[in-house]
Formats: sequence, C-alpha cells, structure tokens
Amino acid sequence: QQQVKQSPQSLIVQKGGIPIINCAYENTAFDYFPWYQQFPGKGPALLIAIRPDVSEKKEGRFTISFNKSAKQFSLHIMDSQPGDSATYFCAASIGSSGNTGKLIFGQGTTLQVKP
Amino acid sequence: DSGVTQTPKHLITATGQRVTLRCSPRSGDLSVYWYQQSLDQGLQFLIQYYNGEERAKGNILERFSAQQFPDLHSELNLSSLELGDSALYFCASTEGSSYNEQFFGPGTRLTVL
Repeated sequence: QQQVKQSPQSLIVQKGGIPIINCAYENTAFDYFPWYQQFPGKGPALLIAIRPDVSEKKEGRFTISFNKSAKQFSLHIMDSQPGDSATYFCAASIGSSGNTGKLIFGQGTTLQVKP
Repeated sequence: DSGVTQTPKHLITATGQRVTLRCSPRSGDLSVYWYQQSLDQGLQFLIQYYNGEERAKGNILERFSAQQFPDLHSELNLSSLELGDSALYFCASTEGSSYNEQFFGPGTRLTVL
C-alpha cells in the first residue's frame, strides 16, 4: 500500500518532443505528489508538486496531470531539451498535520533527450 | 543550491567499520530526513528528526542510528558496515514536522570495500 509504481524505466525522445512519465499509487491517504529531477552526482531537486484537489498543474515547461479516481499522476515535459536529460522520480507523502511527510519514491525514469 | 549541506562528499571504508555522515539543514528548517539511494532499492526513507526528536523510522537497519543536535544539524551513524551498505545517502530538510516540500542535500557516496 505504501508503494509508488513508476513507468517507464527509461525514455528517449528527440529535442522538442513531449516525454510523459507515469506513476500509480495505492494509498488514498497520500495528499502530496512531488516530482524530483536528479542529475548524475547530484541530489534530487524538487521540480513540481501537486495536491489531490487539483487535476493539473503547470510550471514552465513541466505539467503534472492528476487522476484521483484512477490513483495515477503523470509528468509531461513540453518542448524537451537536451538539458532535461536526467533521472526523474515521482513521490508521494502524507503531509497533513500529525503525519511525518516522509516521501515514498517511485523507481525512477532515466530520460534522454537527443539533440 | 538547495541550502542543505552534507559532509563528506565521498567516503571509502572497509567492512566492519563505522562511519558518521553529517547533514546541516537549510536555515530555519527544523526537520531532517535521511534517505538511502541504491541501484537495487532506489530511494528509500530511513529516518526523520524534528527539532531534536525522532519522528519516524523507515527501512533503517539496527546497525544504523541517527541524531539531531541542538543546532539542528544531524548525523547518521553506520556501524558494522557491509558491502551492501554501499550507496548514496541523502538528507533533506523542511520547515515543519510534516511540511511537504523537502530540499535535498548533495549526498554522501559511501563505498564499503
């Protein structure tokens, strides 16, 4: 119930393409769903996050789509660039008062954007 | 730069040894989380401290322990090291005890030979 399943494991797109990474969860108590971007040798960096009361959130070229009934959420990267080549992790947590906010991570997706 | 610092950046040691990893949270953040990243297990939550008190434990081995000091920096102690403990160890900090936005440090890469 605490798992977050992420797919695909790896993804290759051409510059300008729109890679889509999907995540699914079981625990309906999760109330916060962030995406992290990690470059080799670096720590994960928060990219964008969503709460279950909205179905979509955009920040720059990054969009999260959230489907509460299906318990799924996805990351779309518009007009992808070679600099977006990194590993992307979805995560989920229970952040409401009294809970710890610990992040449960998906397995990660390695994205390569070809020039 | 997230504002979270971790030392050392790299650590190479032998099986059976003990090491200490250090984390300084962002200024004003009271909560520190420790995560382990390995190829086979991915990113896994280990333990959380809030204002000096342990708040939550995850998949942390009994050989591992942590603490948070009055100045809010945290240390993760790993003892009786095994080859399988080789991994990246990250700490993350947040303002409150359950605030969601966690900022990660650059990590400590531990290699056990």
